[in-house]
Amino acid sequence: GAGVSQSPSNKVTEKGKDVELRCDPISGHTALYWYRQSLGQGLEFLIYFQGNSAPDKSGLPSDRFSAERTGGSVSTLTIQRTQQEDSAVYLCASSLQLSSGNTIYFGEGSWLTVV
Amino acid sequence: AQKVTQAQTEISVVEKEDVTLDCVYETRDTTYYLFWYKQPPSGELVFLIRRNSFDEQNEISGRYSWNFQKSTSSFNFTITASQVVDSAVYFCALLQRSASKIIFGSGTRLSIRP
Repeated sequence: GAGVSQSPSNKVTEKGKDVELRCDPISGHTALYWYRQSLGQGLEFLIYFQGNSAPDKSGLPSDRFSAERTGGSVSTLTIQRTQQEDSAVYLCASSLQLSSGNTIYFGEGSWLTVV
Repeated sequence: AQKVTQAQTEISVVEKEDVTLDCVYETRDTTYYLFWYKQPPSGELVFLIRRNSFDEQNEISGRYSWNFQKSTSSFNFTITASQVVDSAVYFCALLQRSASKIIFGSGTRLSIRP
């Protein structure tokens, strides 16, 4: 597609349930990122993919969070046993190879509310 | 270590005023990239500009201009003749060539009053 596509755009889930958030990057972009933005806060880095591998997953807040990327394209961020503090906007972004300073383009985000 | 500081949490000005958003960064790399993004109320982050560390030329795009000064590690953003549609949160960001992630500042919430 023309831009980074994320789904669902909004998700309300009960505490303790698992959720999956999907990201479809811009075609041809090899680098993919997940960030989290809590209400009124800045962007918190979660994980970075180059192709299908994740050289930097240092931002994942706990072992309840995991992410994968298949076929060098679509990525899924999974949150197990959700907690209320997981409520946030989860932003996906993509770019050509990161090390060349290519611009990162963001999707519209997935708004997650844990009740 | 890399760090981006946007000291101005919120700014409110009257329409048509000029406004400057400050950004100060820290990095040990000699090659790095600086970015500005706009986040309107709709939530999507919109790319505004990218600048690499070897290009200190200031840039102007319509009412927007950017002042990059390596001597003070600053990359400030000025909006001339502000408009209500400029109301948004603006983020400054830094990418070190040796790093694997862009680091964002905490953002400046800009409100333009009619």
